[in-house]
Amino acid sequence: AQSVAQPEDQVNVAEGNPLTVKCTYSVSGNPYLFWYVQYPNRGLQFLLKYITGDNLVKGSYGFEAEFNKSQTSFHLKKPSALVSDSALYFCAVSRYSGNTPLVFGKGTRLSVIA
Amino acid sequence: EAEVAQSPRYKITEKSQAVAFWCDPISGHATLYWYRQILGQGPELLVQFQDESVVDDSQLPKDRFSAERLKGVDSTLKIQPAELGDSAMYLCASSSRDFPTPAQFFGPGTRLTVL
Repeated sequence: AQSVAQPEDQVNVAEGNPLTVKCTYSVSGNPYLFWYVQYPNRGLQFLLKYITGDNLVKGSYGFEAEFNKSQTSFHLKKPSALVSDSALYFCAVSRYSGNTPLVFGKGTRLSVIA
Repeated sequence: EAEVAQSPRYKITEKSQAVAFWCDPISGHATLYWYRQILGQGPELLVQFQDESVVDDSQLPKDRFSAERLKGVDSTLKIQPAELGDSAMYLCASSSRDFPTPAQFFGPGTRLTVL
């Protein structure tokens, strides 16, 4: 079975500083990896996905993620954090290509301090 | 920009009552998912539809939950009877037929509180 671990419940960063939200995964075969963001009382918004190819994936709102197969990690990054980036971030994995359900981590709350 | 629609946004009910949630996916999206998100956790799949057919309902508590997508467009998720442990956010998502692995797009969710 596939699984995702987000080791940090909370990440605090000062506005303008780089941010990293960590994610590690476990899946047999090739992983299909996703990042979503959730604002209070809202659904999840898609940020980016890794299917194959370049290990650095660029997504929405200036976010990017780095796929590292040897470390089974898919960390979310942004060079300069904004206060408006404060939200709950979820990493997710699918074992198969195509339309298959996602398995989500428990989420990491990002707080960007002005 | 096309969005997934869900209603109601909030529902408060008493235990043993019946509740129903509605989802309208993005136009043209053949795959529809219902997820449940308990506070402090990530979403977990309840049921997946491909057009009008159920693809995966292995995690759906079938003694009390039912889901349908009769015409392969909008979908309804029902709980009867509701229990205290059903309090959660119910999220609907849809995805297209893009190759190889399309992203899932989520609606705003229905927050259910069972008293």
